Amino acid sequence: DSGVTQTPKHLITATGQRVTLRCSPRSGDLSVYWYQQSLDQGLQFLIQYYNGEERAKGNILERFSAQQFPDLHSELNLSSLELGDSALYFCASSVALHQGDTEAFFGQGTRLTVV
Amino acid sequence: EDQVTQSPEALRLQEGESSSLNCSYTVSGLRGLFWYRQDPGKGPEFLFTLYSAGEEKEKERLKATLTKKESFLHITAPKPEDSATYLCAVLDNYGQNFVFGPGTRLSVLP
Repeated sequence: DSGVTQTPKHLITATGQRVTLRCSPRSGDLSVYWYQQSLDQGLQFLIQYYNGEERAKGNILERFSAQQFPDLHSELNLSSLELGDSALYFCASSVALHQGDTEAFFGQGTRLTVV
Repeated sequence: EDQVTQSPEALRLQEGESSSLNCSYTVSGLRGLFWYRQDPGKGPEFLFTLYSAGEEKEKERLKATLTKKESFLHITAPKPEDSATYLCAVLDNYGQNFVFGPGTRLSVLP
């Protein structure tokens, strides 16, 4: 158990809908990272928050947004969903400001299926 | 554009048969290269970070090395429990772009 909790584990929704994925980081970790893993694109970095502020942005679509709350949990919001958004979404956390400066611990992921 | 490729795509080994996985990268200034292990349906598990050419790190049967263009993950006398997908990733000097390779799927047969 990495200490990073993601909910829900599975989510099935229709095209055009909006969903929210939730992540609770390990105790003491200030950074939260979101990743998308699909069969054709592999694992892609989406966005990082550090202590409530956006820190780094990767290949995140404009239809997607995230935030980190004062208690450091984070939510990833996906809207106007398309079939191609079906993927595993991972959250990771670390103590560091910069990605890679310390080990990042991954959650178990949320499997999103858009039908 | 930062890129990471990994080879082979899949590798089957007999238990005890040592081998190496390759990670080739192109990045505008390397801040770090990372190796992860991922089991099916689970999140990646951190293995190593390498920061500069010539650096080596070891953990049990695994040893990671780094050159200016590639990294190798050497697996010595693997066991079936080493079966997993091994991912490498690079982080650029700005600390912004974290790019994963497609992974090598390793199967170790008893």
